[in-house]
Amino acid sequence: AIQMTQSPSSLSASIGDRVTITCRASQGIRSELGWYQQKPGKAPKLLIYAASSLQSGVPSRFSGSGSGTDFTLTISSLQPEDFATYYCLQDYNYPYTFGQGTKLEIK
Amino acid sequence: QVQLQQWGAGLLKPSETLSLTCTVFGGSFSGYYWSWVRQPPGKGPEWIGEINHGGYTNYNPSLESRVTTSVDTSKKQFTLKLTSLTAADTAVYYCARGQAGPTNFYYDYWGQGTLVTVSS
Repeated sequence: AIQMTQSPSSLSASIGDRVTITCRASQGIRSELGWYQQKPGKAPKLLIYAASSLQSGVPSRFSGSGSGTDFTLTISSLQPEDFATYYCLQDYNYPYTFGQGTKLEIK
Repeated sequence: QVQLQQWGAGLLKPSETLSLTCTVFGGSFSGYYWSWVRQPPGKGPEWIGEINHGGYTNYNPSLESRVTTSVDTSKKQFTLKLTSLTAADTAVYYCARGQAGPTNFYYDYWGQGTLVTVSS
């Protein structure tokens, strides 16, 4: 199975900060990666698919980039509602695999 | 508006079988990959498997020997069964709709989640 390694595992930031989360795949996955946001007690919510496509309804401060093995999720200006845990998910081949998560906390 | 509503038993004993059902409200049932994902307490999600409206399945090899999924297109429902439960199967289980395009795939709608606890 492809291993997805996220970094950092946790991050403290302030409102208005620019934040970048990284996901690295153990083998090339082209651009077949999505980013999901999860808040406590809730299901994951799709933010980005195909590495860089913004899901409808998701604020434009979220962006994704990368291909092959290295990917990033960037939040350009943190808002209070963005404090959550973020996961990457590779859909290049089965079994699909998630990163271990990045918990974004208020500084 | 698409909604996925799931239900099933939340407390099971070791060696028992987990059974969860997810009903799709709104939207089409055809053309999607109806999937199951679980998340142990305090950990990241784990992909369990998927089924399409025609019954074509893919499973995580780590669970494949114990997992069965099925669909009832007339009711717009799909079901997960996981046998021989142990404490390691304790998790929140989610159903989700997988949408595939030529070069992309994503889960755009999710169920509310069901906490399944395996304990004697």
